Amino acid sequence: EVQLVQSGADVKKPGESLKISCKGSGYSFTSYWIGWVRQMPGKGLEWMGIIYPGDSDTRYSPSFQGQVTISADKSISTAYLQWSSLKASDTAMYYCARGVATTYYFNMDVWGKGTTVTVSS
Amino acid sequence: SSELTQDPAVSVALGQTVRITCQGDSLRSYYASWYQQKPGQAPVLVIYGKNNRPSGIPDRFSGSSSGDTASLTITGAQAEDEADYFCNSRDSSGNHWVFGGGTKLTVL
Repeated sequence: EVQLVQSGADVKKPGESLKISCKGSGYSFTSYWIGWVRQMPGKGLEWMGIIYPGDSDTRYSPSFQGQVTISADKSISTAYLQWSSLKASDTAMYYCARGVATTYYFNMDVWGKGTTVTVSS
Repeated sequence: SSELTQDPAVSVALGQTVRITCQGDSLRSYYASWYQQKPGQAPVLVIYGKNNRPSGIPDRFSGSSSGDTASLTITGAQAEDEADYFCNSRDSSGNHWVFGGGTKLTVL
């Protein structure tokens, strides 16, 4: 079974760092993109960025460039999303998803269950 | 604001047909993918490319495109189709991917 297993919920204080994970199984991890999507409470989906674990090619949405770091360790089939200094406005659900990219579309066909990040003093 | 514009809410009577639209300049050149999200759940891909359904998605879901507008059509809407629907495609620069603001579908 193809699945993405995300790390558990986390509660942090403003200014703290955080790294959440997304472990793929049941497929060739290096042959698909991994995308990260933010969903703030009661809001829509926001595209954060994608990484291709096969060669670590990483693309960020302009809204998130410089705010987060996306990485992957293909030896353990795991992708990461990290912050160096969290803000209260980072409070959200974060999803990872497996992606297939073509020139004309990018589809995310398998999703993790999400990681809730709460940032509060 | 998103570069892909969706109506915030749409309603449909049980068993009727509903079209959910997504408008943006990039859609003249690129396809939209469509995701369904029910409360408390992760999104699910329902349509991608020209009009492709992943395995397990009912054939009452279909996609189409004309000019700067992509559409997701549900023919014979069921109660379980009540959800938020998000389109996704490239932004106007063509260099990045974005989601539409989402449409809340109510099945009456």
